[in-house]
Amino acid sequence: AQSVTQLDSQVPVFEEAPVELRCNYSSSVSVYLFWYVQYPNQGLQLLLKYLSGSTLVKGINGFEAEFNKSQTSFHLRKPSVHISDTAEYFCAVTTGANNLFFGTGTRLTVIP
Amino acid sequence: NAGVTQTPKFQVLKTGQSMTLQCAQDMNHNSMYWYRQDPGMGLRLIYYSASEGTTDKGEVPNGYNVSRLNKREFSLRLESAAPSQTSVYFCASVRAPLGDEQFFGPGTRLTVL
Repeated sequence: AQSVTQLDSQVPVFEEAPVELRCNYSSSVSVYLFWYVQYPNQGLQLLLKYLSGSTLVKGINGFEAEFNKSQTSFHLRKPSVHISDTAEYFCAVTTGANNLFFGTGTRLTVIP
Repeated sequence: NAGVTQTPKFQVLKTGQSMTLQCAQDMNHNSMYWYRQDPGMGLRLIYYSASEGTTDKGEVPNGYNVSRLNKREFSLRLESAAPSQTSVYFCASVRAPLGDEQFFGPGTRLTVL
């Protein structure tokens, strides 16, 4: 079975500072990895995904993530955050076929 | 395109009452899903429908039933609501599960008293 761990439940960061949101997964088979963002009172939107190929994946709004197979990680980064990045971020993993597993989420708060 | 729509947006029930949450997508997606979101627990899959005419249990199916009415619509029914079902419910759809992103509706906030 697959599982996802997001160790940081809350991350406060000052505006224009860099941020890293951590995600580790466990699986005995190859996986596809996703980061979703949820703004207050909204559904989830895809930020980026890793299926195969280059381990550095770029997404929307200046976010990027790096797939590290040896460390089973898929950390999300942004070099300079904006107030509008305040949201909850979810890492998710699947091996395909209707088994998308989500982490418990990281609430990013950008401080002016 | 409206994407994934859900009704209602909010609902308050008393213990033992029943209700149906509606979901529709206009993207011609094959697979549809129902999740619940609880604080500190992320999203957990309740039921899914891989294609029209099929449904399967997810991680937390107890107390729920589903119907894939047609390719567009996938409803979630609570036959006898319990306070433990107080949650935010999200419907999602995907064209093909292998590697495609899921598109989410805006959610239904349900409170069971």
